[in-house]
Amino acid sequence: NAGVTQTPKFQVLKTGQSMTLQCAQDMNHNSMYWYRQDPGMGLRLIYYSASEGTTDKGEVPNGYNVSRLNKREFSLRLESAAPSQTSVYFCASRVPGRRDYGYTFGSGTRLTVV
Amino acid sequence: KQEVTQIPAALSVPEGENLVLNCSFTDSAIYNLQWFRQDPGKGLTSLLLIQSSQREQTSGRLNASLDKSSGRSTLYIAASQPGDSATYLCAVSPSGTYKYIFGTGTRLKVLA
Repeated sequence: NAGVTQTPKFQVLKTGQSMTLQCAQDMNHNSMYWYRQDPGMGLRLIYYSASEGTTDKGEVPNGYNVSRLNKREFSLRLESAAPSQTSVYFCASRVPGRRDYGYTFGSGTRLTVV
Repeated sequence: KQEVTQIPAALSVPEGENLVLNCSFTDSAIYNLQWFRQDPGKGLTSLLLIQSSQREQTSGRLNASLDKSSGRSTLYIAASQPGDSATYLCAVSPSGTYKYIFGTGTRLKVLA
């Protein structure tokens, strides 16, 4: 099925461990995004990539790094996980510059840091 | 700085009622506004997208309106059903940016 695929769906980390969240889309979208969702705070943008080869910080980038591997894939890395990074992480993609296009979201990664 | 607010945070209605969910935003310079539905433990599903030049969009029992000058959007759900129970999120795309700013959502429960 066409869309945005995120892996893994669930993950438990110990404080200080590292991991990479993977995201891939097969819709030929140029822009890709990473959000985190926390209770009472809505979705907040971590990083985004307007096009292949570019990445930019969002609202809450501290503690994260990203890689736009190619047009399809956009990964999010936690170098040294902290309990404050316990959250649900969503990847999204979009065709930029097209006012008639909105976001398509993945199903999310639920991360717990203990 | 663009801020998006959704009121109420939670809503419980009997089946069959028509209902309105509200979304307000502080800066009228937007590209478009998108309404999403999120089921518990799931991702976000796009419901309706309204461009800044449009006043409303309709899909089935859903109608979304946009009043850019007053910074408001409403999502109207006709003849609500238990299957409509979910959290509804609105998001605005500020002009000149690639990103969306999200509200915190309205959690809707439709009682059978």
